[in-house]
Amino acid sequence: AQSVTQLGSHVSVSEGALVLLRCNYSSSVPPYLFWYVQYPNQGLQLLLKYTSAATLVKGINGFEAEFKKSETSFHLTKPSAHMSDAAEYFCAVVSGGSNYKLTFGKGTLLTVNP
Amino acid sequence: DTAVSQTPKYLVTQMGNDKSIKCEQNLGHDTMYWYKQDSKKFLKIMFSYNNKELIINETVPNRFSPKSPDKAHLNLHINSLELGDSAVYFCASSLPGQGGEQYFGPGTRLTVT
Repeated sequence: AQSVTQLGSHVSVSEGALVLLRCNYSSSVPPYLFWYVQYPNQGLQLLLKYTSAATLVKGINGFEAEFKKSETSFHLTKPSAHMSDAAEYFCAVVSGGSNYKLTFGKGTLLTVNP
Repeated sequence: DTAVSQTPKYLVTQMGNDKSIKCEQNLGHDTMYWYKQDSKKFLKIMFSYNNKELIINETVPNRFSPKSPDKAHLNLHINSLELGDSAVYFCASSLPGQGGEQYFGPGTRLTVT
């Protein structure tokens, strides 16, 4: 079964600092990987996805992630944090087979300090 | 225009009651899902339908029954509600293919007292 592990349930950064949210996956087949963001009391919004094209994926709001097969990682970064980035971030992988089940990590809460 | 909508947004009910949550998408997607998010924010898939056919049925109590009257709608009916059913339930729909991203609704916060 495929799975993702998000290292750090809570990350705190200062406004303007680098954001790094870690995600490692396990998969027996090439994975499809996603990062979603959830703002308080809202649904999930796709930030970016990896589907075996370019290994460096650019998303919305200045976020990007790099797929590293050798490290089985898909870490999310943003060069300069903004107060509006404060939210819960989820890494997810699609399971193989004929269905498209998203398996989520446990989430990382990002807080941005002024 | 709302892409994936759910009603109601909040649902407060007593143990033992039966309730339904409705979901509609206007994206033209063939596949729809129900996810449960618990109090620790953990998200887990419950069901998925592809063009009205059930394709994912996770280990969920059979008190939960999804129904898809057409490919734009996926409803969730819950019988004999229990305290542990309190959670946020999200509906989603997706583009075709395993790389197709899923679009989520705003969620329904269910509180069972």
